[in-house]
Amino acid sequence: SAVISQKPSRDICQRGTSLTIQCQVDSQVTMMFWYRQQPGQSLTLIATANQGSEATYESGFVIDKFPISRPNLTFSTLTVSNMSPEDSSIYLCSAQGFGNTIYFGEGSWLTVV
Amino acid sequence: GIQVEQSPPDLILQEGANSTLRCNFSDSVNNLQWFHQNPWGQLINLFYIPSGTKQNGRLSATTVATERYSLLYISSSQTTDSGVYFCAVDDTGGFKTIFGAGTRLFVKA
Repeated sequence: SAVISQKPSRDICQRGTSLTIQCQVDSQVTMMFWYRQQPGQSLTLIATANQGSEATYESGFVIDKFPISRPNLTFSTLTVSNMSPEDSSIYLCSAQGFGNTIYFGEGSWLTVV
Repeated sequence: GIQVEQSPPDLILQEGANSTLRCNFSDSVNNLQWFHQNPWGQLINLFYIPSGTKQNGRLSATTVATERYSLLYISSSQTTDSGVYFCAVDDTGGFKTIFGAGTRLFVKA
């Protein structure tokens, strides 16, 4: 299994600012993903974080708003740019190991005021 | 893309009761997993079950891939089982995992 650490775990941000969320996995994984979970909703995939290259974004998500980096196999960052109250969500990092099982970090609870 | 439907959307149980949660999916899948999200938001992987049956304590799951559904059984429910249960499948066209809307479970003491 993989243990995934995310930080910050929680933050309150002013609108118009940006926040970077870090995700660290304790072992090498094949795939890393970023999800958003709005209050009371299911998980929506933002993008697949690709090592050493641009992330692959899902429909409705763009690099200017959610820049993602993955400099190595075990670390990734997600930035939420120019935040508005609609960006208030839980942001979750996940990783897929060689056995196809998916693991999640504890999530970053973001509130934009 | 693939559609994932979960039922029921909400479920209230008395402690000790049994329940069955269902997940239907619209296309063939490479992978199916069940997750539990506790009230603090933490997602725990319960089962990786693209086909067949697995059991882990009071929980068990069955996936019938040919009929495109999976079931999660919870026996002798406890208050700590409360939370949201998600079914998630891998899109055969790629490597991304799609989540159902979830079943919100509340177990009363």
